[in-house]
Amino acid sequence: QQQVKQSPQSLIVQKGGISIINCAYENTAFDYFPWYQQFPGKGPALLIAIRPDVSEKKEGRFTISFNKSAKQFSLHIMDSQPGDSATYFCAAGQSWGKLQFGAGTQVVVTP
Amino acid sequence: DAGVIQSPRHEVTEMGQEVTLRCKPISGHDYLFWYRQTMMRGLELLIYFNNNVPIDDSGMPEDRFSAKMPNASFSTLKIQPSEPRDSAVYFCASSISGGFEKLFFGSGTQLSVL
Repeated sequence: QQQVKQSPQSLIVQKGGISIINCAYENTAFDYFPWYQQFPGKGPALLIAIRPDVSEKKEGRFTISFNKSAKQFSLHIMDSQPGDSATYFCAAGQSWGKLQFGAGTQVVVTP
Repeated sequence: DAGVIQSPRHEVTEMGQEVTLRCKPISGHDYLFWYRQTMMRGLELLIYFNNNVPIDDSGMPEDRFSAKMPNASFSTLKIQPSEPRDSAVYFCASSISGGFEKLFFGSGTQLSVL
């Protein structure tokens, strides 16, 4: 059973545009929500993470928005750059517990 | 730091053969994870260790899969015998003290079983 659902599967955005990726989870006990970025031929790398005590976290051009009541969280990539072209995975889990990963979103930023 | 080091990067083998994947975690990290990535199933946790001790192997698909961590700087994932459905990218990751928080992944081993 897929505990973390991620959408869209892929998206294309122009340079300078905003990329938005959405995730929904089912387990209300989850309290840790990271996003990982993966480039071809590489392993995923932690990009940004949030805990449910805040509704938003921003690091540079990357922002996580979190809606606890809706059990949803999203990644916004502002001013998207060609170097942001990668696959993005959301994940959810409990502190000291296993992470459940979403299926991934392939983002392509066109020049 | 060199990061998590996996070998080999690519492995092509025939069905029925034994395959051994290797991982060197980041020095000082006390958690080590083995993940498998496929298009159909995404990223799946196979097993993880804490201080060289296996904590949860419930993700290991079958008895054909086994993993060891003889010391803090080395782990192996073995598939014997291998089958075509084992074809995937296998990632090793490590973390320090935080369990599943801030995983550092290696570059993976692309396994093809013919």
